Amino acid sequence: AQKVTQAQTEISVVEKEDVTLDCVYETRDTTYYLFWYKQPPSGELVFLIRRNSFDEQNEISGRYSWNFQKSTSSFNFTITASQVVDSAVYFCALSAGGTSYGKLTFGQGTILTVHP
Amino acid sequence: EAQVTQNPRYLITVTGKKLTVTCSQNMNHEYMSWYRQDPGLGLRQIYYSMNVEVTDKGDVPEGYKVSRKEKRNFPLILESPSPNQTSLYFCASSLRGEDTQYFGPGTRLTVL
Repeated sequence: AQKVTQAQTEISVVEKEDVTLDCVYETRDTTYYLFWYKQPPSGELVFLIRRNSFDEQNEISGRYSWNFQKSTSSFNFTITASQVVDSAVYFCALSAGGTSYGKLTFGQGTILTVHP
Repeated sequence: EAQVTQNPRYLITVTGKKLTVTCSQNMNHEYMSWYRQDPGLGLRQIYYSMNVEVTDKGDVPEGYKVSRKEKRNFPLILESPSPNQTSLYFCASSLRGEDTQYFGPGTRLTVL
């Protein structure tokens, strides 16, 4: 069975602070994919990143960075110098092979509020 | 523009009145899926389709039906809606199952 845990239900920061969103996953598959999606107040789901299980390189995209560590089954997301527009719900998700082919298992989501 | 569309975006209905939520994608994707989003539970998969005429149950299929007669369309059918199906529904598609899934704008359904 697959499972994704986002232990932080809500995070509140002041603009320009750095913030890290935690994601811990469980799967028995050796091939799997990890994702982060953003859901702004308007409600749509915006794709941020996809990482496969064989690529443990960290990735940086502008103010966003992701830290993938297989040893701790974690895929954490850091926003540097947060902005009000970063306020949203962030979901971590896992897709594995076998009978779960294609199914995204989502965490419960972390509500991020960035105050001016 | 590459996109996944859903209709309607908002729907209020009553218990037992059959309804269909349409989903269409213009990216020639093989894989399509339906999810529901509920507070505190994240998103859960209802049904998915790996290709035309190939569908299977996700985690919460009870009370729902789907069909995939054409590659671009994947409608979600509620034969006899109940209040516990009040939720935010998302359709998604990807080139193949393991690829990134792109989501439609969502349909907010209220069953009274």
